[in-house]
Amino acid sequence: EPEVTQTPSHQVTQMGQEVILRCVPISNHLYFYWYRQILGQKVEFLVSFYNNEISEKSEIFDDQFSVERPDGSNFTLKIRSTKLEDSAMYFCASSEWEEGNQPQHFGDGTRLSIL
Amino acid sequence: AQTVTQSQPEMSVQEAETVTLSCTYDTSESDYYLFWYKQPPSRQMILVIRQEAYKQQNATENRFSVNFQKAAKSFSLKISDSQLGDAAMYFCAYRSVFNQGGKLIFGQGTELSVKP
Repeated sequence: EPEVTQTPSHQVTQMGQEVILRCVPISNHLYFYWYRQILGQKVEFLVSFYNNEISEKSEIFDDQFSVERPDGSNFTLKIRSTKLEDSAMYFCASSEWEEGNQPQHFGDGTRLSIL
Repeated sequence: AQTVTQSQPEMSVQEAETVTLSCTYDTSESDYYLFWYKQPPSRQMILVIRQEAYKQQNATENRFSVNFQKAAKSFSLKISDSQLGDAAMYFCAYRSVFNQGGKLIFGQGTELSVKP
């Protein structure tokens, strides 16, 4: 069964550095998402992306965050100047259609640790 | 704004028994979608079951079923004949019909352990 894949599984970065988290969505999916989960807290929506544009973003997704689909397969989340509070598990997801009952398929996540 | 609450941080069930995980939500919308996701220790979240709010009939997927009480804004998950492989974190999630961005709003999660 097709899967969403995320790399790396664990990223350790110094505060203030830029980090790029990578995702390969399922190949025929058109809608892409990033969520994060700070340890012990809820999974939170960051951003959704369709047709090379952001569809929706949360309050968390401020100017230090950006997303890109640089080619036909990858979907990336960039954090420009990381802060300690960016430490979290970041999940990428994709769905085939935008219809509300369509399931979002999640990757295994990238654990981001900011030192 | 919509919220989702799972009041049981941890639950335990004996193998082959039945367990019910609770989820309540708050919304002013009349139409929406509800989901249960399972996150095993391997970390990938997997869809377990989904329910459209306009459907009165409770969704069922094999051993998994929901009790959807729209007026009470309750969406509980029942797992019958529990198996060791059911041990995982379970998340309840809400999605608005009107939301074009596809945002899922998650509860805090319930960690289910299954005893042999």
